[in-house]
Amino acid sequence: KNEVEQSPQNLTAQEGEFITINCSYSVGISALHWLQQHPGGGIVSLFMLSSGKKKHGRLIATINIQEKHSSLHITASHPRDSAVYICAVPSNFGNEKLTFGTGTRLTIIP
Amino acid sequence: SQTIHQWPATLVQPVGSPLSLECTVEGTSNPNLYWYRQAAGRGLQLLFYSVGIGQISSEVPQNLSASRPQDRQFILSSKKLLLSDSGFYLCAFSWGGTGNTIYFGEGSWLTVV
Repeated sequence: KNEVEQSPQNLTAQEGEFITINCSYSVGISALHWLQQHPGGGIVSLFMLSSGKKKHGRLIATINIQEKHSSLHITASHPRDSAVYICAVPSNFGNEKLTFGTGTRLTIIP
Repeated sequence: SQTIHQWPATLVQPVGSPLSLECTVEGTSNPNLYWYRQAAGRGLQLLFYSVGIGQISSEVPQNLSASRPQDRQFILSSKKLLLSDSGFYLCAFSWGGTGNTIYFGEGSWLTVV
């Protein structure tokens, strides 16, 4: 079974700061997911990536398959970015069942 | 476009009462369907997944069951709730091949009292 570790668990930053959240996993994967969970509980898929880098607005996700590591970056952070960010990977290669990290709670202070 | 709806959003149930959470998907056929639970302070845990009508796989032993009576309908049930069943339940779907985007429902907050 894939093990997923995220860091940091909690992150507080000032508005405008550059944010980095890291995710490491133990078993080779086909694709990695970054998810965002707001205080109300709803979860939104931000990225699904299998190589390289993806960018959406101020969010950038990168993945290094060889090192089994991914990062989520937020540029020019804003209080509305405050949420829990979760990394998820397939339990086994070629499997759609996901194993989730415990999440990184991000708080952006105005 | 594909959408997923889940209800009810919140419910408070006494111990020993039954449970039924429902989830429906629109805009795609033959999706893979999932029920997840998020206990307080913990990550998401896969409870059930289904690759087709009537095909249910359970990931962990528990007091819950799932059913898929129609292609795009997924139901989470319990005959008698336990206090430990409290948590946040999420339905999700994906489709196509390996590694496709996963979409989550709005979630259901269950408090067993």
